Amino acid sequence: DAGITQSPRHKVTETGTPVTLRCHQTENHRYMYWYRQDPGHGLRLIHYSYGVKDTDKGEVSDGYSVSRSKTEDFLLTLESATSSQTSVYFCAISESVEGDRGYTFGSGTRLTVV
Amino acid sequence: AQSVTQLDSQVPVFEEAPVELRCNYSSSVSVYLFWYVQYPNQGLQLLLKYLSGSTLVKGINGFEAEFNKSQTSFHLRKPSVHISDTAEYFCAVRGARWSNYQLIWGAGTKLIIKP
Repeated sequence: DAGITQSPRHKVTETGTPVTLRCHQTENHRYMYWYRQDPGHGLRLIHYSYGVKDTDKGEVSDGYSVSRSKTEDFLLTLESATSSQTSVYFCAISESVEGDRGYTFGSGTRLTVV
Repeated sequence: AQSVTQLDSQVPVFEEAPVELRCNYSSSVSVYLFWYVQYPNQGLQLLLKYLSGSTLVKGINGFEAEFNKSQTSFHLRKPSVHISDTAEYFCAVRGARWSNYQLIWGAGTKLIIKP
C-alpha cells in the first residue's frame, strides 16, 4: 500500500552509461523531489518538480536531468554516470510547497557506478 | 545561508535510558522544523514537526522535541529508548516564508542502543 515506489531498488552500472531512476506515486501530490544521500552529508536536493512539466534544479543538479510527463511519475536521469554519482537516491513527495505536512519518502535506489 | 547542525554523528545509549539528539539551525526568520527517522535500508519517515504554537512538540514512538527560538535549537528527546529506536535521525528546517522549495537537512545522528 506504499504511496510512493522507486525502481530499481539496486543498480550497478558502468562509468559513462546513462541511467534512469523512476519514482511513482499514487497520492496525487503536486510536489516531487529527488535527493541523494551520502555519509556525512545528510540529504542533498538534486531536482524537484512543482507540477507536470514543471521542474527546477536543486543544489547538486550537475550531471542529472529530470522529467515529469505525468503527475504520478518523476524520472531522474544520469546522463553519463560517474563514480562520484555512486549514492543512495531517494524520491519524496509533498502536498504543499511548505512541506508542512511532511514529506513522504520512497525506499531508495542504491546506485553503484563502477 | 541557512544551515542545520546536528552536533553528534553518533549517540550510544543503553536501553531504557533517556536520550537527547541535538539540532541547531541558523536562520533569522520564522522557520518550520522537522525531525525524520530512517531505519536501516529504508526511506525517511516524519517523526514530528514544529510549525507554530506550543514549543514542545510530541511525535510518534514517544519522541518529543522542544523549539527554542533564542538558542535556535530543536533538540529531540525520548525518556526511555528501546532497541527498536536504533536508526538514524535527521533534523531539517525550512523558512516559513521561503519562496523556494528546499528543506535544509542536517547530516544525521545515528542512535545506537546498547542492550
